[in-house]
Amino acid sequence: GESVGLHLPTLSVQEGDNSIINCAYSNSASDYFIWYKQESGKGPQFIIDIRSNMDKRQGQRVTVLLNKTVKHLSLQIAATQPGDSAVYFCAESLLTNQAGTALIFGKGTTLSVSS
Amino acid sequence: ETGVTQSPTHLIKTRGQQVTLRCSSQSGHNTVSWYQQALGQGPQFIFQYYREEENGRGNFPPRFSGLQFPNYSSELNVNALELDDSALYLCASSPRPQETQYFGPGTRLLVL
Repeated sequence: GESVGLHLPTLSVQEGDNSIINCAYSNSASDYFIWYKQESGKGPQFIIDIRSNMDKRQGQRVTVLLNKTVKHLSLQIAATQPGDSAVYFCAESLLTNQAGTALIFGKGTTLSVSS
Repeated sequence: ETGVTQSPTHLIKTRGQQVTLRCSSQSGHNTVSWYQQALGQGPQFIFQYYREEENGRGNFPPRFSGLQFPNYSSELNVNALELDDSALYLCASSPRPQETQYFGPGTRLLVL
């Protein structure tokens, strides 16, 4: 079936390091991808998105890379801070048969930042 | 904060009961989507509403139903609750169906 998965369930880094979180997707027709951050007890928070006509997009301390050839997505966080500790999800946006959109999430990567 | 609000924050029900969860979308957003997130899992798409019509549904049984109102707020109703319905229920709003979805804080439902 169609799904979005993450390569590692957990990632531990030191404060100040750069973090890279990876994601593989399976639907080659997907054209929109989003990274969300979810802290304990809260809803997912939008971080950054990218459309399939781009291969890189930068935000504040975050960069998303898209490799359509191998259907791979990554989130890079520069100078990781303790406040970045959370579960990170990539999501794939798929069209429904009624012209809506459904986000398909993977299981997430838990990022732990130690100071 | 996204401006998406959900109520209640927590709820405890027993098997067989019915529950209604509510969501107010961010100002200017006419599309609402609902997701179920089991513990330790990613959110799963339940359905999406646009201009008061359902325009997409995930793999959930008919006892999961919804409504969207003229002010774009929304309800999720679940009948005949089962133990496996225990989860965090998330609402997300977007300006239009194919644009970025912004999530509320969720309603945590426990079915005993």
